Amino acid sequence: GAVVSQHPSWVICKSGTSVKIECRSLDFQATTMFWYRQFPKQSLMLMATSNEGSKATYEQGVEKDKFLINHASLTLSTLTVTSAHPEDSSFYICSALDRPGNQPQHFGDGTRLSIL
Amino acid sequence: SQQGEEDPQALSIQEGENATMNCSYKTSINNLQWYRQNSGRGLVHLILIRSNEREKHSGRLRVTLDTSKKSSSLLITASRAADTASYFCATDATGANNLFFGTGTRLTVIP
Repeated sequence: GAVVSQHPSWVICKSGTSVKIECRSLDFQATTMFWYRQFPKQSLMLMATSNEGSKATYEQGVEKDKFLINHASLTLSTLTVTSAHPEDSSFYICSALDRPGNQPQHFGDGTRLSIL
Repeated sequence: SQQGEEDPQALSIQEGENATMNCSYKTSINNLQWYRQNSGRGLVHLILIRSNEREKHSGRLRVTLDTSKKSSSLLITASRAADTASYFCATDATGANNLFFGTGTRLTVIP
């Protein structure tokens, strides 16, 4: 149980385009989802916390207009990288909690984003 | 930054040997977790230890927690080539859902 699906797994696009990444909880309802960014050989850095039906909470230094997060249902959160540039190239990973405070988080397989 | 630190950054051992990784963190915690990440993939949860626990076992894994030193260790016994991966510790604070990850240890188990 507790499977999180992330799509797409890999995307390559031109500079200036917007890219949407989906994170779905397949067999549970996720009241809270998280988005992380990971550079090569580095750790995960939390970008934002997404609660169903409310605005996301962004970590310091993360541009909310650049990284749009929508959590419209209990099983889906999306991250849209707007007007992507090469420096946005990274590995993006989502995770989900089935209940507030109920660790551990369940992680998706990540999305590798490459901006040309 | 609330990010923790792990050492060693990289560890290479022979199959069958034990691997020990250490994690230090900065703030008071509710839980400490260890995750594993294969190259280019998501994270797999290994074990969770609560702040009032000192040691926990799961199969070949043994985790210790010393809240006075704000540190934890992960021991993998009788390592296998399939254990090759990056290992991260992560902490969460009371009343907060988000995790703060350590810098990670890249483990290579040589067959």
